[in-house]
Amino acid sequence: GAVVSQHPSWVICKSGTSVKIECRSLDFQATTMFWYRQFPKKSLMLMATSNEGSKATYEQGVEKDKFLINHASLTLSTLTVTSAHPEDSSFYICSAPSRGQGETSYNEQFFGPGTRLTVL
Amino acid sequence: SQKIEQNSEALNIQEGKTATLTCNYTNYSPAYLQWYRQDPGRGPVFLLLIRENEKEKRKERLKVTFDTTLKQSLFHITASQPADSATYLCALGKGDSSASKIIFGSGTRLSIRP
Repeated sequence: GAVVSQHPSWVICKSGTSVKIECRSLDFQATTMFWYRQFPKKSLMLMATSNEGSKATYEQGVEKDKFLINHASLTLSTLTVTSAHPEDSSFYICSAPSRGQGETSYNEQFFGPGTRLTVL
Repeated sequence: SQKIEQNSEALNIQEGKTATLTCNYTNYSPAYLQWYRQDPGRGPVFLLLIRENEKEKRKERLKVTFDTTLKQSLFHITASQPADSATYLCALGKGDSSASKIIFGSGTRLSIRP
C-alpha cells in the first residue's frame, strides 16, 4: 500500500519560533495533500488542502499567514507554523489520497504518522 | 451545518463478542462513507469504504452497513480481540478526485478486554 511519512515525529520549541513539518509520499505521487490537526481525544480537523504548484486552500477559521503550506513537488508538502504559541501545541497529521486496490477513484486517504508539536 | 456523530465516545466489550460502532450524520449527502482505525499517537489507517448505493460491505472480521435513509452507518467487528482495541473514526466524502475532502466524526474508543 501507499506510504506517507512525516518529519519530525515530535518537536518542542519556544514560543515565537517557527516550526516546519514535512509530509512525503514515498511510493506514489500526490498532487493534493491534506493537513489536519488533532487535539487529545478529539477528531481530525481539516486545516488546509495543499496543491502541488499552486496555493493551498485553507478551511474557514485557519490563518493562512500563521500556517504556511508549500507543495513544492509531487511527493512533498510542508507546513510551517510561524511564530508558534502554546495554543498551537497539537498533533499535526498529513494525508495524501490514492486509489485503493481495484479502485478507479481517489477515495482512500493514506495518513502520515503525525507530528506532535509542543510550544513552551 | 453538517454534523457527524459517533454515538459512543468509548465502548468496552469482552473478547470474542461482536463490537458494534455507530456513525450518524445530518445535513449532508455523502457519496461514500469510510471507516478508519487510529492507534494512540499515530495517524489513521483506512479500513473500509462503502458507497451510497451499497447496503453492506465485508472484509475479514469487519462488516459495514450504510443506510442513507436513516443517515447511519454501523461498523461491526466480529470475534473481537484485544488487538482490535483502538479508536475508530468514520468519515464522509462526496467526490472521487484527488482533491476531494472528507470530514471525520469524533471517533469511538474501543477496548476489548481479555
